[in-house]
Amino acid sequence: AQSVSQHNHHVILSEAASLELGCNYSYGGTVNLFWYVQYPGQHLQLLLKYFSGDPLVKGIKGFEAEFIKSKFSFNLRKPSVQWSDTAEYFCAVKMGGNTPLVFGKGTRLSVIA
Amino acid sequence: SQTIHQWPATLVQPVGSPLSLECTVEGTSNPNLYWYRQAAGRGLQLLFYSVGIGQISSEVPQNLSASRPQDRQFILSSKKLLLSDSGFYLCAQMGYYNEQFFGPGTRLTVL
Repeated sequence: AQSVSQHNHHVILSEAASLELGCNYSYGGTVNLFWYVQYPGQHLQLLLKYFSGDPLVKGIKGFEAEFIKSKFSFNLRKPSVQWSDTAEYFCAVKMGGNTPLVFGKGTRLSVIA
Repeated sequence: SQTIHQWPATLVQPVGSPLSLECTVEGTSNPNLYWYRQAAGRGLQLLFYSVGIGQISSEVPQNLSASRPQDRQFILSSKKLLLSDSGFYLCAQMGYYNEQFFGPGTRLTVL
């Protein structure tokens, strides 16, 4: 079955540390890839998306993600996290045709001062 | 841009009572609409999606049903709620690049 895996359930970092959250999917065809963020008490918001072209995608708030087709991965990165990045992050993949997005289980990021 | 309305924002219902959650969207006509349930540590579980009026696809067999009586209206229902139906319910609309835009959600507690 098609699935999306996020490797870390909960990540705790100090401010200014670098961040990388893993996301892998299981599908051999064309994909559209997304990262969403949910700040405490707020809506799910789109952080960035990959549709085609340059596999390195830049999103809002200094986040970026790299699509590595050979590894079926779309990891999220940020060079220096801030306390305000504390949130839950969801990877989502559209795997061909008129199918809904498949979401990972999410990674909770806690940034401490 | 897409605007998604959901109500109520919070709901507390007894076991065995009926349920009706409403989602309405603004923007493009004939949008693809989705109902998700979000549970802590379990991500977003897709419950239903609809590509048009009267067209509903169910992803997970359970105690819930969905209907789409109008182009921009998507309703989640139950005839008899179970304790396990408690959760955070999100309505979403698909955008031009297949991304999804989410509503503010409804927090349902079944007692």
